Amino acid sequence: AQKVTQAQTEISVVEKEDVTLDCVYETRDTTYYLFWYKQPPSGELVFLIRRNSFDEQNEISGRYSWNFQKSTSSFNFTITASQVVDSAVYFCALSERNFGNEKLTFGTGTRLTIIP
Amino acid sequence: DAGVIQSPRHEVTEMGQEVTLRCKPISGHDYLFWYRQTMMRGLELLIYFNNNVPIDDSGMPEDRFSAKMPNASFSTLKIQPSEPRDSAVYFCASSLRSQTEAFFGQGTRLTVV
Repeated sequence: AQKVTQAQTEISVVEKEDVTLDCVYETRDTTYYLFWYKQPPSGELVFLIRRNSFDEQNEISGRYSWNFQKSTSSFNFTITASQVVDSAVYFCALSERNFGNEKLTFGTGTRLTIIP
Repeated sequence: DAGVIQSPRHEVTEMGQEVTLRCKPISGHDYLFWYRQTMMRGLELLIYFNNNVPIDDSGMPEDRFSAKMPNASFSTLKIQPSEPRDSAVYFCASSLRSQTEAFFGQGTRLTVV
């Protein structure tokens, strides 16, 4: 069984503050993929990043960075110098492959509100 | 490419009526997924296809739900008969290969009254 836990249901920060969204996962597979998606108020789901289980290097993309730690089964997402446009629900997701069957499981999401 | 295209964007129907949701995946993508999003249950995978073949429909809630993919560029999700508890946002997504990122459509907001 696989499970993705996003313990933070809602977070509010003042604009320009840094914020970290937590994601903890469970899987028995040694090969798996982790994802982050953003769902802005308009409702669509926007892909942000994909990371495979063999690549533990942190990644930075502009104001976004991701910290993948297999030892703690975590894949956390940090927004630096937050902006109002970052207000959205953020989902962490896990993909594993069992007997040719592909499963993508989403966490429950973290609603991030950036206060101007 | 225009991305994943879903229609309609909004659907309001009466209980008992048949509802058909439509999806056009990104050209060249081998995988197509149908998800449902509700406040109570979050994002749930209903069914997915690989090369037009249904692979896993274990997430389909009941026999009232059915999905087809007659060709690589079109899929439908049908609910017959619809019930108020089917009210949700239904997303279609496609991905290029196994375990690559899925790109989502804008969703269909279904309201069953």
